[in-house]
Amino acid sequence: AQTVTQSQPEMSVQEAETVTLSCTYDTSESDYYLFWYKQPPSRQMILVIRQEAYKQQNATENRFSVNFQKAAKSFSLKISDSQLGDAAMYFCAPNFGNEKLTFGTGTRLTIIP
Amino acid sequence: GAGVSQSPSNKVTEKGKDVELRCDPISGHTALYWYRQSLGQGLEFLIYFQGNSAPDKSGLPSDRFSAERTGGSVSTLTIQRTQQEDSAVYLCASSSGAGFGTDTQYFGPGTRLTVL
Repeated sequence: AQTVTQSQPEMSVQEAETVTLSCTYDTSESDYYLFWYKQPPSRQMILVIRQEAYKQQNATENRFSVNFQKAAKSFSLKISDSQLGDAAMYFCAPNFGNEKLTFGTGTRLTIIP
Repeated sequence: GAGVSQSPSNKVTEKGKDVELRCDPISGHTALYWYRQSLGQGLEFLIYFQGNSAPDKSGLPSDRFSAERTGGSVSTLTIQRTQQEDSAVYLCASSSGAGFGTDTQYFGPGTRLTVL
C-alpha cells in the first residue's frame, strides 16, 4: 500500500524565522510527483510547490523549498522568512502515477508575531 | 481565468435525504477529481474523470455515492439516503489531463455537508 506520513500534527514558528515540515512516504513506484498544498481557514487548497521524483535538484518557489531524498522516501518543506499569511494546514500529497493524490494527515502551522 | 468553483458552499440536510454537489472545473481542463475531507478519515480520493474515458470510481465509499460529468465539463456528486458519517467537506479539483501523475490539481473551495 502507498502511504504518506506527516509526523508533526502541529508546528509553530516566529515570524521571519525558518521552519521545516516533514513528510515521508512509502511506494514501490520509481516515477512519481510530489506536491505540498496549504489549506488556510478559507478551506481552499492551494498548491505550494511540486517536485518531480526523477529530478535530483530540489524545487524552490520563492520562500518555499523542498528537501527531496528519494532513497529515504522523504519530502520535507522548508519555509524561510515566515509570514503571518503562511499560517495554514500543510498537506504533503504525492501522486504515485495513478492520477490520485494521496494525502498525509497534515501539519497545522502557526506563525507567532 | 476563473478557478474551480463549487456549489453550494454549505449544505445542511436531514438523514435519509439525497444531496447533489456541483463542480465547475477550470475551462479547458479535461481531468476532474472529487475528494472528501473528514475529521475521522482525513483527505480521501473519491472519483476521477478524464475526458471521455470511463471514470475511476475506486474511492467511492458505498453505492449511495455516484458522480456524473456532463459534456466533459461540469460534474455533479450525488449522495443518496445521506447518513451522518457522510458529513464532511467535499473538494473538487481539475487538471489539464496530461496524465501519468504529472498534473497539478487545482482545487475548488469545497462544499461543507452536514447531515443532521
